[in-house]
Amino acid sequence: AQSVTQLGSHVSVSEGALVLLRCNYSSSVPPYLFWYVQYPNQGLQLLLKYTTGATLVKGINGFEAEFKKSETSFHLTKPSAHMSDAAEYFCAVLIAGGKLIFGQGTTLQVKP
Amino acid sequence: ETGVTQSPTHLIKTRGQQVTLRCSSQSGHNTVSWYQQALGQGPQFIFQYYREEENGRGNFPPRFSGLQFPNYSSELNVNALELDDSALYLCASSAGTGIWANEKLFFGSGTQLSVL
Repeated sequence: AQSVTQLGSHVSVSEGALVLLRCNYSSSVPPYLFWYVQYPNQGLQLLLKYTTGATLVKGINGFEAEFKKSETSFHLTKPSAHMSDAAEYFCAVLIAGGKLIFGQGTTLQVKP
Repeated sequence: ETGVTQSPTHLIKTRGQQVTLRCSSQSGHNTVSWYQQALGQGPQFIFQYYREEENGRGNFPPRFSGLQFPNYSSELNVNALELDDSALYLCASSAGTGIWANEKLFFGSGTQLSVL
């Protein structure tokens, strides 16, 4: 069965520091992987996705993620954190039937 | 701007009651999915509707039911509410079904349901 594990429910970084949010997946088929962001009292916004092709994908707001099949990982990074990046981040895998399986989420705190 | 709107934004019910949540899909989208997001958890798939028919269901009991209308708007109905049903309910729309369609889900802001 497919599953998603996000390592670290809370991550705290200083403004300007590197952001690294970890995601590992379990899938029996080539995965379609996503990162979503959720701001307080809002729905989910797609940051980026991997379907096929280039394993390093770039998304909105300066985020990028690299699909590593050998490590079954899809970690999200941003070189320099901004205060506006503080939010909840979800990694997800798309399975047959159009169902998204989400991780538990990681809360990113950005300190001034 | 996602274009997916949900109503109401907040709702308080008591255990045993029934509730209906509504979702208006983004223009041109004929598929709607519903997710339940409990506090501190990731969203969980409830079901999906495509052209007014259920097109996939997650591990939710039958008291969770849905409808999709000819204009592709949708309702989520929950009967016999339980305390554990307290959650944020998210609606997402897409054009068509299958992997390629679900790559492009647009989420609404959700309905926060509290069951007392």
